[in-house]
Amino acid sequence: QPRLQESGPGLVKPSETLSLNCTVSGGSISSSNYYWGWIRQPPGKGLEWIGNIFYSGSSYYNPSLKSRLTISVDTSKNQFSLKLSSVTAADTAVYYCARCYETGQWLSFDYWGQGTLVTVSS
Amino acid sequence: SSELTQDPAVSVALGQTVRITCQGDSLRSSYASWYQQKPGQAPVLVMYGENIRPSGIPDRFSGSNSGNTASLTITGAQAEDEADYYCHSRDSIENHVVFGGRTKLTVL
Repeated sequence: QPRLQESGPGLVKPSETLSLNCTVSGGSISSSNYYWGWIRQPPGKGLEWIGNIFYSGSSYYNPSLKSRLTISVDTSKNQFSLKLSSVTAADTAVYYCARCYETGQWLSFDYWGQGTLVTVSS
Repeated sequence: SSELTQDPAVSVALGQTVRITCQGDSLRSSYASWYQQKPGQAPVLVMYGENIRPSGIPDRFSGSNSGNTASLTITGAQAEDEADYYCHSRDSIENHVVFGGRTKLTVL
């Protein structure tokens, strides 16, 4: 069973860039069966999908975040990363990374990290 | 539209059956997945595809899909099923992913 662990600063200043890494253990990020995704949850609110990436670098993003978002993958470190620029208080959330299994008929996030709270504040 | 609509709150008596529904146009072409989230914890996948339960999920959980509606049914709800539930699917047309708004399940 894979394990996913988010890491990165817990506090980011407004207008700066939020950067997080997700390290995968117990399995290869280069598996052709899976995408890898980021999901966030503002305090007290619901889940919001951020974006997914394949080990090859192919990615797709939430249209509402696309202009500020970069998701990348480093197969040598078994890791994928999130960068969200020009953050505001509205980007304060618990950020989760997760493994994503996709078929033509469904998509599901079957393994999740524990989540990391990122607060945007000066 | 790529929205998924869920009832904000549902309650069920201990041991009874409850259905949580999710509606959206994306469900006409993609099965829903369902997640259970308890306070302070990461979501857990409880149902996906055509009524497929991940390993370790009790068989009192079942799923169904019809038209633009997906349902998660708990037959014989237990106290430990009290949680937030989210549906989720792929929007094939716009090539992105959408979560429903959350259903808070209370077991009485």
